[in-house]
Amino acid sequence: GAGVSQSPRYKVTKRGQDVALRCDPISGHVSLYWYRQALGQGPEFLTYFNYEAQQDKSGLPNDRFSAERPEGSISTLTIQRTEQRDSAMYRCASSLAGGIGPSGNTIYFGEGSWLTVV
Amino acid sequence: GDSVTQMEGPVTLSEEAFLTINCTYTATGYPSLFWYVQYPGEGLQLLLKATKADDKGSNKGFEATYRKETTSFHLEKGSVQVSDSAVYFCALSTPGTYKYIFGTGTRLKVLA
Repeated sequence: GAGVSQSPRYKVTKRGQDVALRCDPISGHVSLYWYRQALGQGPEFLTYFNYEAQQDKSGLPNDRFSAERPEGSISTLTIQRTEQRDSAMYRCASSLAGGIGPSGNTIYFGEGSWLTVV
Repeated sequence: GDSVTQMEGPVTLSEEAFLTINCTYTATGYPSLFWYVQYPGEGLQLLLKATKADDKGSNKGFEATYRKETTSFHLEKGSVQVSDSAVYFCALSTPGTYKYIFGTGTRLKVLA
C-alpha cells in the first residue's frame, strides 16, 4: 500500500482481555518499529524488526507484551491480560533500512491504534 | 542517555505571526534531527530533517537548522496559517541505531 496501515484504529477492551494490533508496512520496507504514545507525551520505542527478526525488544514494558513479524511483512503486537495503564496510542512505523543503515534513515508512521482498557 | 527537550505548549498565535518552537537535544555522537507533525485526526508525518551540523531542513515554509554548538534544532515559520494548527514533535536518531527519541510535543493553535 501507499502508507503504513494499522488496524484497528480504535479498540476498547475490558481489563484482563487480550488484544492484537496489526501493522502492514510500506511495501519493500525492511525495518518495522512499534512505538507507544501516552496522552500528552511523545512516542516511546517498544520493539524493532529487521525483516522477520526481532532485533530489539528492550522497550516492551513487561512480558504481557509481545510482537511478531513471521514473514517479514505484516506485524502483530499482542498485549495479554490488558490493564488500564496499557491505554495509549500504539504506533507502527517502517523504513527502507534500519540498524546500521545510513544516518538520517527516515521512518514513516501509520495513523496508530488507539487502545482503551476499561 | 539521549534525550530531546521541547518547549511546552500550547502555543497560540494569530494568523501571519512568526513561529518558533524550541528544541534542544542531548546525544552521544552526531545524531540526525527531525521534526514530525500530527494534524488533528491524522497520523504522525515527517515535516523536515537535518543529518549533520549546519544543515537546514525545510518544508511547507517551515525551517530548522542543526546547531551543534548549542545542541538545538528550533522550528521556525515566518507566517503561520490556521492550517498549521497541529502538534509538533522534535526527534533524534543516532547513526548506527534504529531508535528514535521524541520530545513530548508542542501543540500549536493558530487563530484567524
